[in-house]
Amino acid sequence: GAGVSQTPSNKVTEKGKYVELRCDPISGHTALYWYRQSLGQGPEFLIYFQGTGAADDSGLPNDRFFAVRPEGSVSTLKIQRTERGDSAVYLCASSLMPGGETEAFFGQGTRLTVV
Amino acid sequence: AQSVTQLGSHVSVSEGALVLLRCNYSSSVPPYLFWYVQYPNQGLQLLLKYTSAATLVKGINGFEAEFKKSETSFHLTKPSAHMSDAAEYFCAVSFYGNNRLAFGKGNQVVVIP
Repeated sequence: GAGVSQTPSNKVTEKGKYVELRCDPISGHTALYWYRQSLGQGPEFLIYFQGTGAADDSGLPNDRFFAVRPEGSVSTLKIQRTERGDSAVYLCASSLMPGGETEAFFGQGTRLTVV
Repeated sequence: AQSVTQLGSHVSVSEGALVLLRCNYSSSVPPYLFWYVQYPNQGLQLLLKYTSAATLVKGINGFEAEFKKSETSFHLTKPSAHMSDAAEYFCAVSFYGNNRLAFGKGNQVVVIP
């Protein structure tokens, strides 16, 4: 079956612009996660959704970052007034149910470059 | 503080030799532990996971890992490296009470023919 799909795969934007990154989780997965992976680092947690609500947004670095999941399926990560330091690969993952022991399935990521 | 440590960002191993990647965590409560692999231009793929059952966990592609509570470790091994094992490997931990994963910095494995 289809895995986690992220679009676009690459995004180049100018400093100060607004961007949206989309994630289509595996059908039926209730939990959805966003991570950010900078060069040479492991992924870092940003936000976790259970259904439509953000259950844990403690990883969002500042208020320029926001994410939604209005119907409990597709999620959009929104970044306002982008900065060069926002350049990274943004990963989305989904799991069938919440719980630390549950396997998370990852998309291929969106590579964001802010110039 | 809770943390995950992977030492040695780049690991070179000869084809046919043992692959050993180390992972240590810092937590007073045993967490759930995972190893993920990332091949070039692909997403993260689960290799294996420990969720409080058997301490020796077998995964895909001949990899296995052993949970040692006394050492707070979850090292990944494979007896004989193949060229196809060249990839980046991440140890990840779900600490008690959290649904999210904390990742180590990763090990880039290079297999030398």
